[in-house]
Amino acid sequence: DVKVTQSSRYLVKRTGEKVFLECVQDMDHENMFWYRQDPGLGLRLIYFSYDVKMKEKGDIPEGYSVSREKKERFSLILESASTNQTSMYLCASSLPGRGETQYFGPGTRLLVL
Amino acid sequence: SQKIEQNSEALNIQEGKTATLTCNYTNYSPAYLQWYRQDPGRGPVFLLLIRENEKEKRKERLKVTFDTTLKQSLFHITASQPADSATYLCALAGFNKFYFGSGTKLNVKP
Repeated sequence: DVKVTQSSRYLVKRTGEKVFLECVQDMDHENMFWYRQDPGLGLRLIYFSYDVKMKEKGDIPEGYSVSREKKERFSLILESASTNQTSMYLCASSLPGRGETQYFGPGTRLLVL
Repeated sequence: SQKIEQNSEALNIQEGKTATLTCNYTNYSPAYLQWYRQDPGRGPVFLLLIRENEKEKRKERLKVTFDTTLKQSLFHITASQPADSATYLCALAGFNKFYFGSGTKLNVKP
Protein backbone atom coordinates (compact mmCIF):
# COMPACT_ATOMS: atom_id res chain seq x y z
CA ASP A 1 0.00 0.00 0.00
CA VAL A 2 1.40 3.36 -1.01
CA LYS A 3 2.21 5.73 1.76
CA VAL A 4 3.11 9.36 2.24
CA THR A 5 3.75 10.38 5.82
CA GLN A 6 4.19 13.80 7.35
CA SER A 7 6.10 14.41 10.55
CA SER A 8 3.33 16.14 12.48
CA ARG A 9 -0.44 16.34 12.26
CA TYR A 10 -0.65 19.52 14.35
CA LEU A 11 1.99 22.11 15.08
CA VAL A 12 1.91 25.36 17.04
CA LYS A 13 4.77 27.82 16.57
CA ARG A 14 5.54 31.40 17.44
CA THR A 15 6.12 34.24 15.00
CA GLY A 16 9.74 34.35 13.90
CA GLU A 17 10.52 30.71 14.63
CA LYS A 18 12.11 28.51 12.00
CA VAL A 19 9.76 25.64 11.20
CA PHE A 20 10.57 22.31 9.55
CA LEU A 21 7.89 20.12 8.00
CA GLU A 22 9.03 16.69 6.90
CA CYS A 23 7.50 14.40 4.33
CA VAL A 24 8.49 10.83 3.50
CA GLN A 25 7.17 8.59 0.73
CA ASP A 26 7.80 4.89 0.26
CA MET A 27 6.85 4.57 -3.41
CA ASP A 28 10.19 5.50 -4.97
CA HIS A 29 8.51 8.45 -6.69
CA GLU A 30 10.67 11.01 -8.43
CA ASN A 31 8.28 13.92 -7.90
CA MET A 32 7.39 15.43 -4.56
CA PHE A 33 5.26 18.48 -3.84
CA TRP A 34 4.37 20.85 -1.03
CA TYR A 35 0.98 22.59 -1.05
CA ARG A 36 -0.86 24.75 1.37
CA GLN A 37 -4.63 24.62 1.60
CA ASP A 38 -6.75 27.49 2.82
CA PRO A 39 -10.55 27.80 2.83
CA GLY A 40 -11.84 29.13 -0.48
CA LEU A 41 -8.38 29.13 -2.07
CA GLY A 42 -7.90 25.46 -2.70
CA LEU A 43 -4.50 23.82 -2.88
CA ARG A 44 -1.71 26.16 -3.87
CA LEU A 45 1.66 24.80 -4.88
CA ILE A 46 4.59 26.09 -2.84
CA TYR A 47 7.48 24.06 -4.25
CA PHE A 48 8.03 20.84 -6.04
CA SER A 49 11.01 18.60 -6.65
CA TYR A 50 11.51 16.26 -9.59
CA ASP A 51 14.72 14.66 -8.36
CA VAL A 52 17.13 14.65 -5.47
CA LYS A 53 18.56 18.12 -4.88
CA MET A 54 16.32 19.54 -7.64
CA LYS A 55 13.52 21.96 -6.90
CA GLU A 56 11.23 24.37 -8.64
CA LYS A 57 9.16 27.20 -7.29
CA GLY A 58 5.44 26.85 -7.35
CA ASP A 59 2.87 29.62 -7.22
CA ILE A 60 3.57 30.87 -3.68
CA PRO A 61 7.21 30.20 -2.72
CA GLU A 62 7.79 33.43 -0.77
CA GLY A 63 8.72 32.78 2.84
CA TYR A 64 9.44 29.11 2.22
CA SER A 65 12.39 26.97 1.20
CA VAL A 66 12.74 23.24 0.59
CA SER A 67 15.33 20.54 0.83
CA ARG A 68 15.54 17.16 -0.87
CA GLU A 69 18.69 15.29 0.06
CA LYS A 70 17.21 11.82 -0.39
CA LYS A 71 14.68 10.59 -2.89
CA GLU A 72 12.11 9.59 -0.29
CA ARG A 73 12.25 12.75 1.83
CA PHE A 74 11.15 16.30 1.05
CA SER A 75 11.32 19.01 3.69
CA LEU A 76 9.53 22.34 3.77
CA ILE A 77 11.16 25.11 5.78
CA LEU A 78 9.53 28.27 7.00
CA GLU A 79 12.54 30.51 7.55
CA SER A 80 10.77 32.90 9.91
CA ALA A 81 7.19 31.88 10.58
CA SER A 82 4.50 34.52 10.29
CA THR A 83 0.83 34.45 11.23
CA ASN A 84 -0.22 34.44 7.56
CA GLN A 85 1.50 31.08 7.21
CA THR A 86 -1.10 29.50 9.48
CA SER A 87 -2.55 26.87 7.20
CA MET A 88 -2.90 23.20 6.34
CA TYR A 89 0.24 21.92 4.62
CA LEU A 90 -0.03 18.92 2.35
CA CYS A 91 2.79 16.89 0.87
CA ALA A 92 2.31 14.72 -2.21
CA SER A 93 4.36 12.50 -4.47
CA SER A 94 3.96 11.15 -7.98
CA LEU A 95 5.74 9.45 -10.80
CA PRO A 96 7.10 11.81 -13.46
CA GLY A 97 5.10 12.66 -16.56
CA ARG A 98 1.73 13.90 -17.64
CA GLY A 99 -1.34 13.24 -15.59
CA GLU A 100 0.27 10.96 -13.06
CA THR A 101 -1.72 10.42 -9.88
CA GLN A 102 -0.65 12.42 -6.86
CA TYR A 103 -0.53 10.62 -3.53
CA PHE A 104 -1.05 12.88 -0.57
CA GLY A 105 0.01 12.71 3.03
CA PRO A 106 -2.45 13.36 5.87
CA GLY A 107 -1.47 17.01 6.18
CA THR A 108 0.05 19.17 8.91
CA ARG A 109 -2.15 21.82 10.44
CA LEU A 110 0.18 24.65 11.42
CA LEU A 111 -0.83 27.47 13.72
CA VAL A 112 1.54 30.43 14.02
CA LEU A 113 0.87 32.64 17.02
CA SER B 1 -2.75 32.42 -15.12
CA GLN B 2 -5.12 29.51 -15.12
CA LYS B 3 -8.32 29.67 -13.15
CA ILE B 4 -10.27 26.65 -11.98
CA GLU B 5 -13.76 27.17 -10.65
CA GLN B 6 -15.78 24.79 -8.59
CA ASN B 7 -19.01 25.67 -6.89
CA SER B 8 -18.03 26.92 -3.46
CA GLU B 9 -21.50 26.31 -2.06
CA ALA B 10 -22.13 22.90 -0.60
CA LEU B 11 -24.29 20.52 -2.57
CA ASN B 12 -26.98 18.87 -0.45
CA ILE B 13 -28.80 15.87 -1.89
CA GLN B 14 -30.90 12.98 -0.71
CA GLU B 15 -29.51 9.47 -0.51
CA GLY B 16 -30.11 7.53 -3.69
CA LYS B 17 -30.07 10.57 -5.97
CA THR B 18 -27.35 11.47 -8.46
CA ALA B 19 -24.90 14.15 -7.40
CA THR B 20 -23.40 16.31 -10.14
CA LEU B 21 -20.39 18.51 -9.48
CA THR B 22 -18.95 21.03 -11.92
CA CYS B 23 -15.42 22.09 -12.70
CA ASN B 24 -14.81 25.00 -15.08
CA TYR B 25 -11.42 26.26 -16.16
CA THR B 26 -9.95 29.10 -18.19
CA ASN B 27 -6.63 30.04 -19.78
CA TYR B 28 -5.45 26.48 -20.02
CA SER B 29 -5.91 23.45 -22.23
CA PRO B 30 -5.09 20.47 -20.05
CA ALA B 31 -4.28 17.13 -21.53
CA TYR B 32 -5.65 15.47 -18.42
CA LEU B 33 -8.16 16.28 -15.73
CA GLN B 34 -8.39 14.46 -12.42
CA TRP B 35 -10.91 14.29 -9.61
CA TYR B 36 -9.97 13.77 -5.97
CA ARG B 37 -11.94 13.21 -2.81
CA GLN B 38 -10.97 14.86 0.45
CA ASP B 39 -12.37 14.01 3.86
CA PRO B 40 -12.08 16.48 6.77
CA GLY B 41 -8.56 16.60 8.22
CA ARG B 42 -7.13 14.32 5.54
CA GLY B 43 -5.22 14.62 2.30
CA PRO B 44 -7.00 14.28 -1.08
CA VAL B 45 -7.37 10.82 -2.56
CA PHE B 46 -7.34 10.20 -6.31
CA LEU B 47 -10.59 8.99 -7.88
CA LEU B 48 -10.54 9.30 -11.65
CA LEU B 49 -8.51 10.65 -14.53
CA ILE B 50 -9.88 11.63 -17.92
CA ARG B 51 -7.83 12.52 -20.98
CA GLU B 52 -8.60 15.32 -23.41
CA ASN B 53 -9.55 12.87 -26.15
CA GLU B 54 -12.03 11.07 -23.88
CA LYS B 55 -15.56 12.36 -23.54
CA GLU B 56 -16.54 10.20 -20.60
CA LYS B 57 -15.01 7.88 -18.03
CA ARG B 58 -16.74 5.57 -15.56
CA LYS B 59 -15.72 3.76 -12.42
CA GLU B 60 -18.40 1.94 -10.47
CA ARG B 61 -20.90 4.64 -9.40
CA LEU B 62 -18.68 7.48 -10.62
CA LYS B 63 -18.79 9.12 -14.02
CA VAL B 64 -16.69 11.99 -15.33
CA THR B 65 -17.20 13.95 -18.51
CA PHE B 66 -14.71 16.32 -20.14
CA ASP B 67 -15.76 18.97 -22.64
CA THR B 68 -12.67 20.78 -23.91
CA THR B 69 -14.80 23.16 -25.98
CA LEU B 70 -16.80 24.33 -22.98
CA LYS B 71 -13.70 23.98 -20.76
CA GLN B 72 -15.75 22.02 -18.29
CA SER B 73 -15.79 18.70 -16.49
CA LEU B 74 -18.79 17.19 -14.75
CA PHE B 75 -18.44 14.62 -11.98
CA HIS B 76 -21.43 12.41 -11.24
CA ILE B 77 -22.06 10.04 -8.35
CA THR B 78 -25.08 7.84 -8.99
CA ALA B 79 -27.12 6.21 -6.22
CA SER B 80 -25.37 8.46 -3.72
CA GLN B 81 -24.82 7.32 -0.14
CA PRO B 82 -24.09 9.22 3.09
CA ALA B 83 -20.56 7.76 2.91
CA ASP B 84 -20.05 9.80 -0.28
CA SER B 85 -20.21 13.00 1.79
CA ALA B 86 -16.86 14.74 1.34
CA THR B 87 -15.21 17.56 -0.57
CA TYR B 88 -14.42 16.82 -4.20
CA LEU B 89 -11.55 18.56 -5.97
CA CYS B 90 -10.80 18.75 -9.65
CA ALA B 91 -7.25 19.13 -10.85
CA LEU B 92 -5.82 20.06 -14.22
CA ALA B 93 -2.74 18.00 -14.89
CA GLY B 94 0.16 19.34 -16.84
CA PHE B 95 3.64 17.93 -17.09
CA ASN B 96 4.84 17.34 -13.51
CA LYS B 97 2.43 19.99 -12.22
CA PHE B 98 -1.16 20.15 -11.12
CA TYR B 99 -3.60 22.99 -10.65
CA PHE B 100 -6.39 22.36 -8.16
CA GLY B 101 -9.80 23.87 -7.72
CA SER B 102 -10.96 24.82 -4.24
CA GLY B 103 -13.43 21.93 -4.14
CA THR B 104 -17.15 21.43 -3.67
CA LYS B 105 -18.50 19.93 -0.47
CA LEU B 106 -21.11 17.23 -1.00
CA ASN B 107 -23.57 16.34 1.76
CA VAL B 108 -25.68 13.24 1.19
CA LYS B 109 -28.57 13.05 3.61
CA PRO B 110 -30.07 9.70 4.63
